[in-house]
Amino acid sequence: QSVLTQPPSVSAAPGQKVTISCSGSSSNIGNNYLSWYRHLPGTAPKLLIYENNKRPSGIPDRFSGSKSDTSATLGITGLQTGDEADYYCGTWDNSLSAWVFGGGTKLTVL
Amino acid sequence: QVPLVESGGGVVQPGGSLRLSCAASGFTFRNYGMQWVRHAPGKGLEWVAIIWHDGSNQYYADSVRGRFTISRDNSKNTLYLQMDNLRAEDTAVYYCATVRGSSWSLWYFDVWGRGTPVTVSS
Repeated sequence: QSVLTQPPSVSAAPGQKVTISCSGSSSNIGNNYLSWYRHLPGTAPKLLIYENNKRPSGIPDRFSGSKSDTSATLGITGLQTGDEADYYCGTWDNSLSAWVFGGGTKLTVL
Repeated sequence: QVPLVESGGGVVQPGGSLRLSCAASGFTFRNYGMQWVRHAPGKGLEWVAIIWHDGSNQYYADSVRGRFTISRDNSKNTLYLQMDNLRAEDTAVYYCATVRGSSWSLWYFDVWGRGTPVTVSS
């Protein structure tokens, strides 16, 4: 059971938009910055969003992040089949003194 | 040139030990905190441990505390993970990554290696 809660799966058609939620508490999301990662099993995870809503260089503006209180959202527009992967939110948890990931969300582009 | 390359994974019996290495290149290793994350088959990413840029502090996940030790040698640009008393549930691909951010509140992981697989089985 992850400290951060994500939906197990989301799906949408190519060209559409999808959002992935990440819900936590005041000990993690509520008082710390959140980052988002994409992972294809067997490959290196990739940073998509850091400090809630900033994109590293090389990440297209199709990817966006937002945070409100103890929840956060990753948005992906203009979906492509290459976006199919597992997506994870992550942040520091002050109560656990540990980094925590969400359980991950599998994105399927239909 | 790949910035981070993990090695040292393999097959080990329960109760055994392994030491993973993560060789860094192309950036000033001593300036960055480093961490290990693992991905077990059929499960999500799990954070394992983190170490300060100068090795002065470390944090561990509850699942590995007391069995795993993270360390670094800045003169060799290398991060390590000593894994003792291994269990079947430690079977995973282990990734190292750089830590960015001036405090834990701001941390994120921006450069990742390709991982090294560890299998704990009799």
